[in-house]
Amino acid sequence: EADIYQTPRYLVIGTGKKITLECSQTMGHDKMYWYQQDPGMELHLIHYSYGVNSTEKGDLSSESTVSRIRTEHFPLTLESARPSHTSQYLCASSVPSGGYMTETQYFGPGTRLLVL
Amino acid sequence: GIQVEQSPPDLILQEGANSTLRCNFSDSVNNLQWFHQNPWGQLINLFYIPSGTKQNGRLSATTVATERYSLLYISSSQTTDSGVYFCAVLRDYKLSFGAGTTVTVRA
Repeated sequence: EADIYQTPRYLVIGTGKKITLECSQTMGHDKMYWYQQDPGMELHLIHYSYGVNSTEKGDLSSESTVSRIRTEHFPLTLESARPSHTSQYLCASSVPSGGYMTETQYFGPGTRLLVL
Repeated sequence: GIQVEQSPPDLILQEGANSTLRCNFSDSVNNLQWFHQNPWGQLINLFYIPSGTKQNGRLSATTVATERYSLLYISSSQTTDSGVYFCAVLRDYKLSFGAGTTVTVRA
C-alpha cells in the first residue's frame, strides 16, 4: 500500500474564506489525483497530474485549482469557499500495475469540508 | 464516458452470511479495482483485477473482461465488512467509479 497523507481531515469554514487542502505521498509516484465525493455518492475526478508542473482538469467541473511543484505534494485550493463546496475530497496516487496502460490507485484518508 | 453500474445498491446481511456484489461496465477497460470505504470515509484498495480471479481471505473477486463484468464475493460476513463497496474501472488513465453497494452486516 502507498502512504498518502491528507490534511486537514475535517474542516469547518465560513463562506468566502480561502482554503488549501494538502495531499502528500512518500512513494515517489508521478501520477496524482483529486476526487470529490458527496455523501453516499460515487467519486468524481476533479483534477489530476502526471508529474511535476503537469495539471489537468477532471471530468467534474470544479472551482478549485491545483499545483504540482514537487512530486510528493499536490495541494488543492479554493479561493473563496461556498456552501456548495461542502463535500469530501479524496487524494490518490498511482503506480503502474504491470500490464499495458494499467495502474493501481491508492487513496488518502480524505478531507471532509463543511462550508457554512 | 464509460458507464459503471453496481448492484445491488444496498445489501443487509446477517453475520456469517455469504454475498455477491456485481459490477457491469460499458466498454473495454485497462484495469478494474474494488474498494471498500469504511464509515470514516477511508477508501481501502481490495483488489486490482483486470481479469481472472483473486482471493484475499474471506473476499474474492472475478472479472470477466470479455463480458464486461466483475463480481466481488464476501464469505462468512462480519460486522467489520460493513461499508460501501465501490467498483472502479480504468480507461485511458482515468478511473471511473460506480455508485457503490452499501453493505450492512448485522450481528
